[in-house]
Amino acid sequence: NAGVMQNPRHLVRRRGQEARLRCSPMKGHSHVYWYRQLPEEGLKFMVYLQKENIIDESGMPKERFSAEFPKEGPSILRIQQVVRGDSAAYFCASSPPGQGAVGEQFFGPGTRLTVL
Amino acid sequence: GENVEQHPSTLSVQEGDSAVIKCTYSDSASNYFPWYKQELGKRPQLIIDIRSNVGEKKDQRIAVTLNKTAKHFSLHITETQPEDSAVYFCAARSASKIIFGSGTRLSIRP
Repeated sequence: NAGVMQNPRHLVRRRGQEARLRCSPMKGHSHVYWYRQLPEEGLKFMVYLQKENIIDESGMPKERFSAEFPKEGPSILRIQQVVRGDSAAYFCASSPPGQGAVGEQFFGPGTRLTVL
Repeated sequence: GENVEQHPSTLSVQEGDSAVIKCTYSDSASNYFPWYKQELGKRPQLIIDIRSNVGEKKDQRIAVTLNKTAKHFSLHITETQPEDSAVYFCAARSASKIIFGSGTRLSIRP
């Protein structure tokens, strides 16, 4: 059973370009979470999605950031018109259905975004 | 909003000694408290978790205690070893999301 997969592992973009980060949850998992980790800092919650639904996006910046988890395929975190401050590690985590509020989240290896 | 405070930010202990990391949380409705270990450049990995109906949980050299009244919880690592060196994050589940503390960088001195 493969773990949470993220790609790409490293992504370099120039200011103003778009970044697309992909996350495939563990098999059987229907909950996906995205976190951002700045260098030497903790993980900051961004968004929580279930298939075709955004459940909680309270941690997501209002502009330039969007996330989706379609019926088929991976979850996508999209950052438009990137700026240097977007440089960070972006981690995805997943949890199985029915875990609700007390379930373990399994983390992917992260995507390290560098904005030049 | 919801908040998790973690102390200390850095901790250095002699190999074989114990390490203690403390956290407080703000949301009294929180009912799940995981601890993650993150090595440099790697993903966070769950090392132990505790639910609100339990006051203490132990797994070999690692133990976690929870005081719901005071809204604080702690991680205890006994007989520390070099491979325990990493950044440790406490977290608290608040509604639909997990709020992480800012991390403790633990160094084990030989």
